Amino acid sequence: DVKVTQSSRYLVKRTGEKVFLECVQDMDHENMFWYRQDPGLGLRLIYFSYDVKMKEKGDIPEGYSVSREKKERFSLILESASTNQTSMYLCASSLPGHGYTFGSGTRLTVV
Amino acid sequence: AQSVTQPDIHITVSEGASLELRCNYSYGATPYLFWYVQSPGQGLQLLLKYFSGDTLVQGIKGFEAEFKRSQSSFNLRKPSVHWSDAAEYFCAVGVYNQGGKLIFGQGTELSVKP
Repeated sequence: DVKVTQSSRYLVKRTGEKVFLECVQDMDHENMFWYRQDPGLGLRLIYFSYDVKMKEKGDIPEGYSVSREKKERFSLILESASTNQTSMYLCASSLPGHGYTFGSGTRLTVV
Repeated sequence: AQSVTQPDIHITVSEGASLELRCNYSYGATPYLFWYVQSPGQGLQLLLKYFSGDTLVQGIKGFEAEFKRSQSSFNLRKPSVHWSDAAEYFCAVGVYNQGGKLIFGQGTELSVKP
């Protein structure tokens, strides 16, 4: 089975900090995705990547950036964390045309 | 634009009763369709998927879904619900030409009464 690992389950950061969320997959998937999940809003796509060093903006990229230096790793960066970025962050990977495999999520609280 | 609508935010069923969760999509071509389940505090797990062929697809945990092109629907069903099925359920449509990205509905939370 494909495994997608997110480095932290829970994270508390201060406003203005630079935050790194890490995601690693172990099955050579080309595509990787970052979503945030908020009650009543479902999952919203922040960024995705379909190849190393490639990235595409999703629906809500503002305040975020990403890095994909290696195929297995896709990092989400909050340049200057704000309280409205408190959320559950979900990473996923896939092969083109197939469903996602999700990580367990990182619940980020910005205080 | 592609979209997915799950009309029911919250559904409560009795244990042993049948279940149907509704999903409607908007997409210009034949869609890839998915159902995912999320237990509290967890990531999403794939229940089943439709790519082509038989419009009735079987998934894990006794779930099935039927693709109805004429109704743009992909409803999830289970004949007899178990207490462990209480979770949030997400329907999603896959976008072919955008790296396989998925567009999700807002989710339906399922509660199961003893």
